[in-house]
Amino acid sequence: GQNIDQPTEMTATEGAIVQINCTYQTSGFNGLFWYQQHAGEAPTFLSYNVLDGLEEKGRFSSFLSRSKGYSYLLLKELQMKDSASYLCAVRDSNYQLIWGAGTKLIIKP
Amino acid sequence: ETGVTQTPRHLVMGMTNKKSLKCEQHLGHNAMYWYKQSAKKPLELMFVYSLEERVENNSVPSRFSPECPNSSHLFLHLHTLQPEDSALYLCASSQTPGASDTQYFGPGTRLTVL
Repeated sequence: GQNIDQPTEMTATEGAIVQINCTYQTSGFNGLFWYQQHAGEAPTFLSYNVLDGLEEKGRFSSFLSRSKGYSYLLLKELQMKDSASYLCAVRDSNYQLIWGAGTKLIIKP
Repeated sequence: ETGVTQTPRHLVMGMTNKKSLKCEQHLGHNAMYWYKQSAKKPLELMFVYSLEERVENNSVPSRFSPECPNSSHLFLHLHTLQPEDSALYLCASSQTPGASDTQYFGPGTRLTVL
């Protein structure tokens, strides 16, 4: 079966750095997405990786290793507004999106 | 502002009620999706529409009935729901169907079935 694994919850301190991991086992691979979802709000697109390596976008970076079935989202200079759930999703060989259950990130002052 | 709106934002209904969820996208996209989001579970894809035609129905019970009158509007008609159907229902759109593009989500409807 297809599976996306990410930690259920993480806690970090304001101003620090946090890395949220995502591992996947899917039928083929056609890209990996990260979304941010604040409580009671819509998931919003953060990043897309299809080739190995690091994609940097401001304070957020996303890394992909296709050979290891692994990605991470790196958040730097954490702000209180970064408290949210972070969803990892993989597009399989049929171009279907397989979703993880999300990682709830709690930022403490 | 994501360009995808959903109404109502909250809905409480009894098991014998009939209600409808509405989604509208202002992005000029050709594909629209209904997802169910339950606490601590992955998003579950329910239905996919491409150019107003249903292209996917992921074994969703018949008590959920989608309707797509045009490429900008999507409805989810609900009848005789069960308490386990309580969840956040998210609508999304993308330029093309089949998850080949980034999907943009609405804020969701929080549904409670009593």
